[in-house]
Amino acid sequence: NAGVTQTPKFRVLKTGQSMTLLCAQDMNHEYMYWYRQDPGMGLRLIHYSVGEGTTAKGEVPDGYNVSRLKKQNFLLGLESAAPSQTSVYFCASSYLIGTGPYEQYFGPGTRLTVT
Amino acid sequence: GQQLNQSPQSMFIQEGEDVSMNCTSSSIFNTWLWYKQEPGEGPVLLIALYKAGELTSNGRLTAQFGITRKDSFLNISASIPSDVGIYFCAGQLEEAAGNKLTFGGGTRVLVKP
Repeated sequence: NAGVTQTPKFRVLKTGQSMTLLCAQDMNHEYMYWYRQDPGMGLRLIHYSVGEGTTAKGEVPDGYNVSRLKKQNFLLGLESAAPSQTSVYFCASSYLIGTGPYEQYFGPGTRLTVT
Repeated sequence: GQQLNQSPQSMFIQEGEDVSMNCTSSSIFNTWLWYKQEPGEGPVLLIALYKAGELTSNGRLTAQFGITRKDSFLNISASIPSDVGIYFCAGQLEEAAGNKLTFGGGTRVLVKP
């Protein structure tokens, strides 16, 4: 199993440009998450999904949109990038409560710089 | 939002010594998780705790779920250089929709020069 994979690994955007980050998991997990990590800070939840076709806002959702069209994929979109969105983005996934451990498993991250 | 206070923020280790770090909260959690993150990588799960008072080991790592359910501790015994990294605690509230986790700010473990 590859676990959780993310593409791309690195990206540089200019202010106002748009992009989509892709997360894929092969563990048949119901739940998926997008976090951002800024220097000296922990992980902050942007959006999450409890199943195919569902999404919900996390702690810092502004400026981001997400879609979960397939169970194994979770996409994070930036419609108009801003320098404040320079960060490292992590995707994670976990089982549905009652069907497996609650732990979240993380991808390797996407380092995004907005100039 | 909810806050987890993780301490210390950073520490230096010397090979062979035991070190400890902890996480505290004003809220009650039903799950505590400990992760390690190395440079350029995503967090990797080390230990998961599900019951108050539970003590669980993973090699040289031992973690405990506090009996008040508001704290957790991680101990590393006989440190080695590859223990360097950032350790994060994470807690899950009982009512957390979608298995959402609250993360501490991390403890950065460095090697003494």
